[in-house]
Amino acid sequence: QKEVEQNSGPLSVPEGAIASLNCTYSDRGSQSFFWYRQYSGKSPELIMFIYSNGDKEDGRFTAQLNKASQYVSLLIRDSQPSDSATYLCAVKAGDMRFGAGTRLTVKP
Amino acid sequence: EAGVAQSPRYKIIEKRQSVAFWCNPISGHATLYWYQQILGQGPKLLIQFQNNGVVDDSQLPKDRFSAERLKGVDSTLKIQPAKLEDSAVYLCASSLAGAYYEQYFGPGTRLTVT
Repeated sequence: QKEVEQNSGPLSVPEGAIASLNCTYSDRGSQSFFWYRQYSGKSPELIMFIYSNGDKEDGRFTAQLNKASQYVSLLIRDSQPSDSATYLCAVKAGDMRFGAGTRLTVKP
Repeated sequence: EAGVAQSPRYKIIEKRQSVAFWCNPISGHATLYWYQQILGQGPKLLIQFQNNGVVDDSQLPKDRFSAERLKGVDSTLKIQPAKLEDSAVYLCASSLAGAYYEQYFGPGTRLTVT
């Protein structure tokens, strides 16, 4: 069974802080890793994806991948109240598998 | 550019009834995906089409779910008969051929089975 695990949260951080979201996966054959943001009642939207070990930065977002540890994370710098949402980790190993998401709340 | 369109947005049916959902992908997107998202869970891929052919339907409960994309553009997902556990949001997404890393999701159809 291909599993993608996330801490369900809620994770609460103050405005301006760094939010750290974590995800582990079970299938060592996983090739691509994705972070989606989903506002309540809305559909998921892609934030970024990563293929290779290491860090990938896009604006205030940094994805980190460690294939040896089967671990992928998302850092959000200078968190804003508008970042409050559920963050979904997705992993592709053949088909696309999503975690259940971590709910993030950024308090003003 | 118009996004992925889905209808209806909401549907309430009784168990054992049938229901159908419609999706129109972004123009030019050859790949279309149907996902099921149960409350509190992440989306689960039900079926993936490339043009009008099925690429992956390994997680589609084929005894009650069916999907088609006859002309390689819009698609229909059907449930017959519905069970209580089918209550979920059904999301349609599309991407350019092979561009699974950049899927665009529609607004979803929220199904409630009573």
